[in-house]
Amino acid sequence: GESVGLHLPTLSVQEGDNSIINCAYSNSASDYFIWYKQESGKGPQFIIDIRSNMDKRQGQRVTVLLNKTVKHLSLQIAATQPGDSAVYFCAETEGAQKLVFGQGTRLTINP
Amino acid sequence: GAVVSQHPSRVICKSGTSVKIECRSLDFQATTMFWYRQFPKQSLMLMATSNEGSKATYEQGVEKDKFLINHASLTLSTLTVTSAHPEDSSFYICSARGEEQKLFFGSGTQLSVL
Repeated sequence: GESVGLHLPTLSVQEGDNSIINCAYSNSASDYFIWYKQESGKGPQFIIDIRSNMDKRQGQRVTVLLNKTVKHLSLQIAATQPGDSAVYFCAETEGAQKLVFGQGTRLTINP
Repeated sequence: GAVVSQHPSRVICKSGTSVKIECRSLDFQATTMFWYRQFPKQSLMLMATSNEGSKATYEQGVEKDKFLINHASLTLSTLTVTSAHPEDSSFYICSARGEEQKLFFGSGTQLSVL
């Protein structure tokens, strides 16, 4: 079936550095993508989204890039802080139907 | 922003009992809610789509008679795990669709079946 996957299951970065979390998706018909942050024992928290008619979107300290040619999605976090430590999931949907989640990347921040 | 409240946050029960989990959209109406299940160190897997006033749509492999879903109002959906067994122990998360089709998630329920 369709799936959304991540290249790296874990990522360690130095505090203050930029983080880049990658995601590959397989459904070429997906038209809406979302990044979520999940802290231990909590539900996913919306970070940023992007529609398929865009290739870049910026938020506060975060940027999402979408490359539809290679079906790749990335989340960039600028000046990573200790509070950014969490598991990050990408998710995709087609036509506002059910959301399919990727496997997740654990981001750890080194002081 | 939109808030989804999920209760209880943690429940421990004996094998064979039933457990009800509530999911409420506090400041918006949600005709559609979703129930997910998450095992440790794994991703969220969609269990079912809950539609207000109609039957839920279950994903393949999810037993509808074991995971009862009721969406009786525009702000409340419930998931009842019937005759729970240890293998049902998991983190259950609900979400509700709000404005602009965005999904807002509850804080999750950790179910432990002894």
